[in-house]
Amino acid sequence: EPEVTQTPSHQVTQMGQEVILRCVPISNHLYFYWYRQILGQKVEFLVSFYNNEISEKSEIFDDQFSVERPDGSNFTLKIRSTKLEDSAMYFCASSEASAGVYTIYFGEGSWLTVV
Amino acid sequence: QQQVKQSPQSLIVQKGGISIINCAYENTAFDYFPWYQQFPGKGPALLIAIRPDVSEKKEGRFTISFNKSAKQFSLHIMDSQPGDSATYFCAARGAGSARQLTFGSGTQLTVLP
Repeated sequence: EPEVTQTPSHQVTQMGQEVILRCVPISNHLYFYWYRQILGQKVEFLVSFYNNEISEKSEIFDDQFSVERPDGSNFTLKIRSTKLEDSAMYFCASSEASAGVYTIYFGEGSWLTVV
Repeated sequence: QQQVKQSPQSLIVQKGGISIINCAYENTAFDYFPWYQQFPGKGPALLIAIRPDVSEKKEGRFTISFNKSAKQFSLHIMDSQPGDSATYFCAARGAGSARQLTFGSGTQLTVLP
């Protein structure tokens, strides 16, 4: 079964450092998402990306965050200057665009620890 | 209005019992209601989903009941097994251009052997 793959699985970074989380969405999917989950809390939407641009973003997705699709397969989330409160599991997700119901598939996540 | 409220926060069920998790929403623009299962350290995995024009959907031991007028939906796990022990999230998909999911707060299910 096709899957969304994410790297790294776990990253520890110093506060103030830049972090890039990488994702390879499912190949025929056109919508891409980043969600995050702080330990023990619910999954929260960060940003969606379609047709090479951000289509929607939440209030969490401030100027410290950016997303990019640098080539035909990768989708990245950059946190410019990490804060302690950015420590969370970050999930990449993708879905295909179609007229009917389509499913959002999640990757296994990248656990970010900011120290 | 974008919230999805989920209860209970935790649930303990004996093996073979029925697990019931409830969710409620306010935004009538939501058009798709999936349930995700999440094991520790893993990403959410789609379990079952329903559209608001259907009142019930069953897949194996898992059933979604949907009450459009009450804006509520629930997950029923029949014959619960210890392997079902996980966190379950209900979600609702918006009708906006990106159609992202809004998640409930999660229910930690423990099925005792």
